[in-house]
Amino acid sequence: KQEVTQIPAALSVPEGENLVLNCSFTDSAIYNLQWFRQDPGKGLTSLLLIQSSQREQTSGRLNASLDKSSGRSTLYIAASQPGDSATYLCAVDDTGTASKLTFGTGTRLQVTL
Amino acid sequence: DAGVIQSPRHEVTEMGQEVTLRCKPISGHDYLFWYRQTMMRGLELLIYFNNNVPIDDSGMPEDRFSAKMPNASFSTLKIQPSEPRDSAVYFCASSMGQELTQYFGPGTRLLVL
Repeated sequence: KQEVTQIPAALSVPEGENLVLNCSFTDSAIYNLQWFRQDPGKGLTSLLLIQSSQREQTSGRLNASLDKSSGRSTLYIAASQPGDSATYLCAVDDTGTASKLTFGTGTRLQVTL
Repeated sequence: DAGVIQSPRHEVTEMGQEVTLRCKPISGHDYLFWYRQTMMRGLELLIYFNNNVPIDDSGMPEDRFSAKMPNASFSTLKIQPSEPRDSAVYFCASSMGQELTQYFGPGTRLLVL
């Protein structure tokens, strides 16, 4: 059974700092991996999706990398801002249809002024 | 589009009562997902539909839980009878065809006393 772990569980950084969030998964036979953002009291918003054949994806200040063979992904946030404060979850897709995603428990990020 | 709509946003009920959660997916989306999020277990997929047909309900915890999708624009998740351990945030999400991104609703926060 696929297990997805995110470390650290919580992180606090000062504004402007670059940071890395980690995601690891036990079964490397995945089709893709997604990073989501969840704001308090709200649903999840998809940030980046990396196909298994890709090494990384970028969107603005966000860069996600995938090392499928080692079962790891990282989300890099450049020049962090208070508005980046949220919980970040990664999810892996074992089916190729994004119908059965296995989610990590998330990293709660706080960016302070 | 208004996004995925869920109602109610908050529900407080007593053990043994029936609870019905409602979801309206994004128009044109043919996949609908029900998730449950708790501190202990994180985000778990309960059931998903494709073209109004339940495809996989292996995540439904027990017979007290049931879900229906009578048409493309409406789905319900029912818990009968409810128990305190059902307290969680329940999310509905939808996606379209081969797109891999799921769009989440704001969730229903359920408290069973």
